[in-house]
Amino acid sequence: DQQVKQNSPSLSVQEGRISILNCDYTNSMFDYFLWYKKYPAEGPTFLISISSIKDKNEDGRFTVFLNKSAKHLSLHIVPSQPGDSAVYFCAASPPRGGAQKLVFGQGTRLTINP
Amino acid sequence: GAVVSQHPSWVICKSGTSVKIECRSLDFQATTMFWYRQFPKQSLMLMATSNEGSKATYEQGVEKDKFLINHASLTLSTLTVTSAHPEDSSFYICSVLGHRPNYGYTFGSGTRLTVV
Repeated sequence: DQQVKQNSPSLSVQEGRISILNCDYTNSMFDYFLWYKKYPAEGPTFLISISSIKDKNEDGRFTVFLNKSAKHLSLHIVPSQPGDSAVYFCAASPPRGGAQKLVFGQGTRLTINP
Repeated sequence: GAVVSQHPSWVICKSGTSVKIECRSLDFQATTMFWYRQFPKQSLMLMATSNEGSKATYEQGVEKDKFLINHASLTLSTLTVTSAHPEDSSFYICSVLGHRPNYGYTFGSGTRLTVV
């Protein structure tokens, strides 16, 4: 049962344009969501997060939007840069109460074309 | 956030041998660490939660006798793949649990294991 889904395995965007990566979840108990960026043969690096009490969080070129009613979140990158080419994972966490385990989506490979 | 060092970054071993992977939290006392596995073009799958001073908690379907986890100190957790087989070839990543906003979910750089 895939509780966090990224239905687009890949996305190609022209440099300077907006990249939009999507993520859906099924567990309404998730209350915290994170986006990670991963290069080949490296561990994921944290990008941005959002709590379920918010619907938007912005950090520089990265903005995450959360639509709780649709159980959907998206990551916007604008403007896209060649260095943004990587695999992006969304992850979700249930309410905190001890050590929490993240549930990851399958990842979306973003390619920024010059 | 925490700084996590994972070693080795890649290893090739023969079938039937054991391989130990180390995960060190360099600047953070990590009572909890997580071990993930990633197959090519797939998601990160949690294998087990490593708890300092106690037994690890394994996810369903993960053989605890095959993937031995030791978390003897607040800065070190080890994953030993015992009697390795080619199907154990994968990318193994550890992470450290911290505090929000990102949980301090800092990941190690990963270990590429190839069993021949």
